[in-house]
Amino acid sequence: EVVLTQSPGTLSLSPGERATLSCRASQSVSSNYLAWYQQKPGQAPRLLIYGASSRATGIPDRFSGIGSRTDFTLTITRLEPEDFAVYYCQQYGTSPLTFGGGTKVEIK
Amino acid sequence: QVQLQESGPGLVRPSGTLSLTCGVSGGSISTSDWWNWVRQTPGKGLEWIGEVYHSGSTNYNPSLESRVTISVDKSKNQFSLKLTSVTAADTAVYYCARLSSINRSLRGFDAWGQGTLVTVSS
Repeated sequence: EVVLTQSPGTLSLSPGERATLSCRASQSVSSNYLAWYQQKPGQAPRLLIYGASSRATGIPDRFSGIGSRTDFTLTITRLEPEDFAVYYCQQYGTSPLTFGGGTKVEIK
Repeated sequence: QVQLQESGPGLVRPSGTLSLTCGVSGGSISTSDWWNWVRQTPGKGLEWIGEVYHSGSTNYNPSLESRVTISVDKSKNQFSLKLTSVTAADTAVYYCARLSSINRSLRGFDAWGQGTLVTVSS
């Protein structure tokens, strides 16, 4: 299976700062089918990015994704208070579908 | 827009069968999308269980395949999960989710249920 490793585990930043999250795959992600999700406590994950770089409906343009094959990055250009959450990457190009372990973005 | 809602018992006895249903509203289950089950535990994070297409075709996580059945009921616009021989390790929040497919291009899990906690305990 495709193992996804996210780093860092925790990112401590202030509102207005830039967040850069990494997701590395153990093998090439088929068709660049890599997604990013945001999850807040007690809520289901919310799709932010699909296809490595396409924003999902209603997602602000401060969220952007880039990458291909095994290395992917999610960037949040200016953190808003509501952006402090846990972020997961997922590959959905090869079965079994897999998720990364998550990066927690916390308020510094 | 489509909405998903999980339902089923919140407590299952060890060695029993976990059964959940996901109702789909605001859209038809008979589309080009795939309908998924995902679970989440503090220890193992998010784990994909499997998926079903409206035709009944399925794909399962090999780690659970021997115990899992996912089925679809088009007449009720819902799909279901059965997990047999459960243990405490199956205690988790279970989510149903839609893997969106548009023009043969997959677009991630764009709709999720709220999740339901299932505890395995005697």
